Amino acid sequence: DADVTQTPRNRITKTGKRIMLECSQTKGHDRMYWYRQDPGLGLRLIYYSFDVKDINKGEISDGYSVSRQAQAKFSLSLESAIPNQTALYFCATSQTSGVNNEQFFGPGTRLTVL
Amino acid sequence: RKEVEQDPGPFNVPEGATVAFNCTYSNSASQSFFWYRQDCRKEPKLLMSVYSSGNEDGRFTAQLNRASQYISLLIRDSKLSDSATYLCVVNIPRNFNKFYFGSGTKLNVKP
Repeated sequence: DADVTQTPRNRITKTGKRIMLECSQTKGHDRMYWYRQDPGLGLRLIYYSFDVKDINKGEISDGYSVSRQAQAKFSLSLESAIPNQTALYFCATSQTSGVNNEQFFGPGTRLTVL
Repeated sequence: RKEVEQDPGPFNVPEGATVAFNCTYSNSASQSFFWYRQDCRKEPKLLMSVYSSGNEDGRFTAQLNRASQYISLLIRDSKLSDSATYLCVVNIPRNFNKFYFGSGTKLNVKP
């Protein structure tokens, strides 16, 4: 079973709709992240959370909100989707600290806003 | 200025070739360094961490030059299966432990 899962894997929606993307992890990591990836731009950080009570904005948080329902769950919402939010969205986790604090990614959600 | 910069490529090489990618980072407070591999439309996966002394994993060798703030990845005896995009990633603990990603270097290994 995958350590980091995302649902849905693909979603097509219309402008103005509210969308929620969900992420769950079984790695026991405290830290969770949401990124979006656009061609040629690499991964850009939307929000991150270091524990259940901690939520922080990333570099492109406008138009998005998040909820950390539990250590293992971190959801991303688009309150009113717009076409330029069409992208590939990744959830990631990492350990709190340590030498090997690499990130582990979910399989991604491909979102299309028409 | 971007935190992490990479040549986007593509690098088109024949099977068996040796290919090297470089990546530069701008923040001297960067502490951890990684190379990730990403296949088309898939999630990034860790290829290797990069240690100060340099490290090797089979056909892959990573080097870190802190003075010049660059990281390199060398792939020897390229395989068709090495075709992917390679992402350079740095972590800055004192900047809320954020990870910064390069936009990736695309490698195409041809028969």
